[in-house]
Amino acid sequence: GAGVSQSPSNKVTEKGKDVELRCDPISGHTALYWYRQSLGQGLEFLIYFQGNSAPDKSGLPSDRFSAERTGGSVSTLTIQRTQQEDSAVYLCASSRRQGGTEAFFGQGTRLTVV
Amino acid sequence: GENVEQHPSTLSVQEGDSAVIKCTYSDSASNYFPWYKQELGKRPQLIIDIRSNVGEKKDQRIAVTLNKTAKHFSLHITETQPEDSAVYFCAWGGQNFVFGPGTRLSVLP
Repeated sequence: GAGVSQSPSNKVTEKGKDVELRCDPISGHTALYWYRQSLGQGLEFLIYFQGNSAPDKSGLPSDRFSAERTGGSVSTLTIQRTQQEDSAVYLCASSRRQGGTEAFFGQGTRLTVV
Repeated sequence: GENVEQHPSTLSVQEGDSAVIKCTYSDSASNYFPWYKQELGKRPQLIIDIRSNVGEKKDQRIAVTLNKTAKHFSLHITETQPEDSAVYFCAWGGQNFVFGPGTRLSVLP
């Protein structure tokens, strides 16, 4: 596609429910990153995928968070038993390779836990 | 993991003045240092980047300088305009992208 696509754009969920956020990276980009941005805050790294290597999960805040990337393309971030503090914008980015090239961001998914 | 410090956290300048934002990193295992601009409600977008084999790069009113010895790089915006008002993030592009905490720039008319 022309850019990084994320869905849904907005998600409102009840506390305790599970949610899945989807990221469709730019075709051919081997690196994919997930970040969380709370209102007025910075970009908190969550997880990073590079090709077929094991993902870097060091940023996941708890075991309620998990992510997978199927076929080296689409990625899904899953949050189980959502809490109000999970409310934030979840941004996905992709780049042609790890580290040394521009990362392109999707428009984000705004998650609200009520 | 890598840590990136960014200063100042907020910056207000008069239209036409210059703005400088500085970032410091700790891990030398990167040769790529981008700067992103995020306008309110929008996604971050790259505005300029620099690789470690050069010390300075300029693109019209914006420039980035890199001091590898001191492990810091800076964003310079000259002749600021109201549309430059946004949050600016530096990043360290090693195996991962680690972002600084951001600088909220306000350009006052």
